[in-house]
Amino acid sequence: DTEVTQTPKHLVMGMTNKKSLKCEQHMGHRAMYWYKQKAKKPPELMFVYSYEKLSINESVPSRFSPECPNSSLLNLHLHALQPEDSALYLCASSQEEVGRVTEAFFGQGTRLTVV
Amino acid sequence: AQKITQTQPGMFVQEKEAVTLDCTYDTSDPSYGLFWYKQPSSGEMIFLIYQGSYDQQNATEGRYSLNFQKARKSANLVISASQLGDSAMYFCAMRELYMDTGRRALTFGSGTRLQVQP
Repeated sequence: DTEVTQTPKHLVMGMTNKKSLKCEQHMGHRAMYWYKQKAKKPPELMFVYSYEKLSINESVPSRFSPECPNSSLLNLHLHALQPEDSALYLCASSQEEVGRVTEAFFGQGTRLTVV
Repeated sequence: AQKITQTQPGMFVQEKEAVTLDCTYDTSDPSYGLFWYKQPSSGEMIFLIYQGSYDQQNATEGRYSLNFQKARKSANLVISASQLGDSAMYFCAMRELYMDTGRRALTFGSGTRLQVQP
């Protein structure tokens, strides 16, 4: 199973709403990532979790709040977003091994529209 | 500074022909990995091929091969016998040590949109 599952696939939310994006993998990967991708742009790293601990936060605004409740799950909690936060949000996972670089597997993404 | 450079915003290729997508990179990490991903209009990022910095031979995966020239810091993707379904955005990415965190993360180039013509 080389699948990363993201839900929902599409989300429309108002600027006062609170919503969450979910990501799940069962490949035993201990590194999980959130990326944001605007139209016609490459993905940009937001957060990295390693062994369920936040290891990288790319100066993301606090209206985005990540959570890693266990080694298989990664959430992104959204609150008071702005229309410019509309984008494709991609989750990825990879093995975490010292001295070894491995590929990252991506989910299909959540297309978020903030109205 | 841009670490991954893809200089071709768009490429056209005839069906059944080969095409090369360019990628150059810059890093001071001696242990890094280079990846190519395909992103169709549906949005999913599909892993195609990987080259490790210590790998002696160029990677190949079916119709995909990676022309790795370490001294020139280039990792070009070659797609042989193009198919209509190959039309998509292609991203070159590098996984390296991220700043001072001791962790590795992927950074992406700007992408090349490939269109395969019948």
